[in-house]
Amino acid sequence: DTQMTQSPSSLSASVGDRVTITCRASQSISPYLNWYQQKSGKAPKLLIYGASSLQSGVPSRFSGSGSGTDFTLTISSLQPEDFATYYCQQSYSTPYTFGQGTILEI
Amino acid sequence: QVQLQESGPGLVKPSETLSLTCTLSRGSMRSYYWSWIRQPPGKGLEWIGHIYYSGGTNYNPSLKSRVTISVDTSKNQFSLKVTSVTAADTAVYYCARGPTSGSHGYFDYWGQGALVTVSS
Repeated sequence: DTQMTQSPSSLSASVGDRVTITCRASQSISPYLNWYQQKSGKAPKLLIYGASSLQSGVPSRFSGSGSGTDFTLTISSLQPEDFATYYCQQSYSTPYTFGQGTILEI
Repeated sequence: QVQLQESGPGLVKPSETLSLTCTLSRGSMRSYYWSWIRQPPGKGLEWIGHIYYSGGTNYNPSLKSRVTISVDTSKNQFSLKVTSVTAADTAVYYCARGPTSGSHGYFDYWGQGALVTVSS
């Protein structure tokens, strides 16, 4: 299985901050890396697919980059509604696997 | 707008079979894969498996011996069965569309999730 490791596990930030979350895969998975946002008690929501493509309807303050084994999710200017848990997920090979999550707190 | 809704018992006894159904509204199952993903309370996400609209399946090896996913396109539904459940199978179970754009795709629509508790 491809192991996905996110860092940090949790992050405290303020409205307006620029935030970066990192995801590392145990093998090369380019470009099959997706990012999701999950709010408490809700289903995950797709933000970024194919490492850097913004899902329709997702604000442009979210961006993704990376290749090979190392990927990042950046939020350019945090808004109050962005405080949530973020997961990366590889779709290079089955079983599809997720990172352990990054909790973004105020 | 695609909508997915899970349904099924919220409580299952140990050693019994967990059964859930996902119903698709406002969309077609045709030409897509459909997945089950679970999340134990307070933990991360685990892909269980997927089924293509025509019936082909792919399961997570960690669960493969206990899992069956089936599809009924006439009812716009797909289903999950997990046999011989234990407390470790307690989780919120999500159905989702995907992987889209082929087997390397992503999960773009999700159900709201169904909490299944395994307890006697």
